[in-house]
Amino acid sequence: DSGVTQTPKHLITATGQRVTLRCSPRSGDLSVYWYQQSLDQGLQFLIQYYNGEERAKGNILERFSAQQFPDLHSELNLSSLELGDSALYFCASSPLGRTDTQYFGPGTRLTVL
Amino acid sequence: AQTVTQSQPEMSVQEAETVTLSCTYDTSESNYYLFWYKQPPSRQMILVIRQEAYKQQNATENRFSVNFQKAAKSFSLKISDSQLGDTAMYFCAFSKASNSGYALNFGKGTSLLVTP
Repeated sequence: DSGVTQTPKHLITATGQRVTLRCSPRSGDLSVYWYQQSLDQGLQFLIQYYNGEERAKGNILERFSAQQFPDLHSELNLSSLELGDSALYFCASSPLGRTDTQYFGPGTRLTVL
Repeated sequence: AQTVTQSQPEMSVQEAETVTLSCTYDTSESNYYLFWYKQPPSRQMILVIRQEAYKQQNATENRFSVNFQKAAKSFSLKISDSQLGDTAMYFCAFSKASNSGYALNFGKGTSLLVTP
């Protein structure tokens, strides 16, 4: 158990819908990263937050957005869902003393029908 | 852009034997970090080992060790005394040292099967 929690574990929804994925980092970790794992694209970095502020962006679609709240939990919002958005979404956090190292949550499996 | 290449899509090893997984990367950065992550059938991503590029000494974690060749941009993972629980997908990852964070670039992975 990495200490990073993600909810829900599984999500099944229809095309065109909007969903929110939630992540709680390890206690004391200020950085949160979001990744997408799909068969087509492999593991891709989406976005990073540090202490409530966006720090870096990767291959994140305009239909996707994220935020980190004052209690440091983060949410990834996916809208106008398409079949190709079906993937495993991971959240990771990194400790203050070792900000280069990331510990991953169990992931949220999103299925878009 | 940094790229990470894992040239072995699948490998197999017998229990108690040693296996080496290959990884090469391409970067113009001088300060960076390299990682191996393990993804068992549960799909959890588990950090196996970490290497700082400015350290010449190869990292080790129990049965796991790396062979880091900076000039060759090579970062292989050696698993000694393989166990059935080592069966998993293994991902090599790179991150550059940056004030804007340490986003990971992953390779496509090597599927390792440990057989009795």
